[in-house]
Amino acid sequence: SAVISQKPSRDICQRGTSLTIQCQVDSQVTMMFWYRQQPGQSLTLIATANQGSEATYESGFVIDKFPISRPNLTFSTLTVSNMSPEDSSIYLCSVPSSGTLLTRETQYFGPGTRLLVL
Amino acid sequence: AQTVTQSQPEMSVQEAETVTLSCTYDTSENNYYLFWYKQPPSRQMILVIRQEAYKQQNATENRFSVNFQKAAKSFSLKISDSQLGDTAMYFCAFMKQEYAGGTSYGKLTFGQGTILTVHP
Repeated sequence: SAVISQKPSRDICQRGTSLTIQCQVDSQVTMMFWYRQQPGQSLTLIATANQGSEATYESGFVIDKFPISRPNLTFSTLTVSNMSPEDSSIYLCSVPSSGTLLTRETQYFGPGTRLLVL
Repeated sequence: AQTVTQSQPEMSVQEAETVTLSCTYDTSENNYYLFWYKQPPSRQMILVIRQEAYKQQNATENRFSVNFQKAAKSFSLKISDSQLGDTAMYFCAFMKQEYAGGTSYGKLTFGQGTILTVHP
């Protein structure tokens, strides 16, 4: 499985500010995914980041609020912009497993970034 | 759109006993994958087991096994010989192929989760 790290692991931010979360993978991957997990809730996909193209956002998520960068095959950032208390969540990145096309149908997750907005 | 339903918000089991977590899903797809993920208090999402829809044989991984009923769209997880370290939130997830930027990838949809507590 891939080794995925995220920075920061947690942060407390003031409303109206922005936070950029970094995701680093120990191997090259074409796709990276960003999820949000609100307190006590399940994971919701925010967007899919394909290296070399614009991220694809899910319904309810927009680029102005959650801009994503994907500068190379091992790294991505998610920015949470103009934050409000409703943005308090855990944000996780994930990547497909390496290997054949069939075995890529497994995703591994980073440790998550716990964000609290006051 | 796919939906995944876990009808048990919380479950508890005694150490060394067996517990089954339920999951149902709704899809019109024929080719897909199903997963159980575990999220302990550390919040790290850990893959427990994976099932390909085209395989009739149920997946097993040590103490973890699934009962996959494709016609009924049911995918339950059985944990045998439960251990204290199994205490976690368990998520059932459905994956189907999507395409973006000329690349295919697997898109995951998660259920609401089941909190499992293993008691000594």
